[in-house]
Amino acid sequence: GIQVEQSPPDLILQEGANSTLRCNFSDSVNNLQWFHQNPWGQLINLFYIPSGTKQNGRLSATTVATERYSLLYISSSQTTDSGVYFCAAPQRGAGGTSYGKLTFGQGTILTVHP
Amino acid sequence: DTEVTQTPKHLVMGMTNKKSLKCEQHMGHRAMYWYKQKAKKPPELMFVYSYEKLSINESVPSRFSPECPNSSLLNLHLHALQPEDSALYLCASSQVGVFPRTSGRRTEKTYFGPGTRLLVL
Repeated sequence: GIQVEQSPPDLILQEGANSTLRCNFSDSVNNLQWFHQNPWGQLINLFYIPSGTKQNGRLSATTVATERYSLLYISSSQTTDSGVYFCAAPQRGAGGTSYGKLTFGQGTILTVHP
Repeated sequence: DTEVTQTPKHLVMGMTNKKSLKCEQHMGHRAMYWYKQKAKKPPELMFVYSYEKLSINESVPSRFSPECPNSSLLNLHLHALQPEDSALYLCASSQVGVFPRTSGRRTEKTYFGPGTRLLVL
């Protein structure tokens, strides 16, 4: 099945700093999702980004499907950005499906200090 | 409304108990999922329901029994669990997309509920 690797595993920032998180995947994907898990365990979907670039406030994401990676940019970080960031890609199935099982990377633990 | 709800938020049960976890969504999604997450690990898929039918079972032990009564509800029945089953159980839902050229199915944007923290004593 598809392998998903994230880097760095841990990231400590001062409030206001910018950061880039990386997600590499071992196979071509038809979609790539980024999630933020807050300290209470809630997983929030940040981006559904098969390819190209999307922006949502201080966050943006870029997926280069042909080179099998995606990047999540966080600008002007805030303490509320702390938590674990996961990327996830679906397993490819028979007949070109891309469905069902999401395989998650190990996550990047982000800590933002005031 | 982009919300998936789960009850209960916390659950403590003995190894001989029977309990159920409940999940609900009103986004019209036709795929619903159960994931299990251990501390400091990513979520791992347990089951997928597609159009109210079980489509993926990731070799989950039979002490976990999923049920999809209708397109909005998903249950997970628990019986004779072991302490190692203690974890955060996450429900998720997504729309089912279709690739235009192949008609193959595609998972659309996935929404997770807040989870149930389960402790098995």
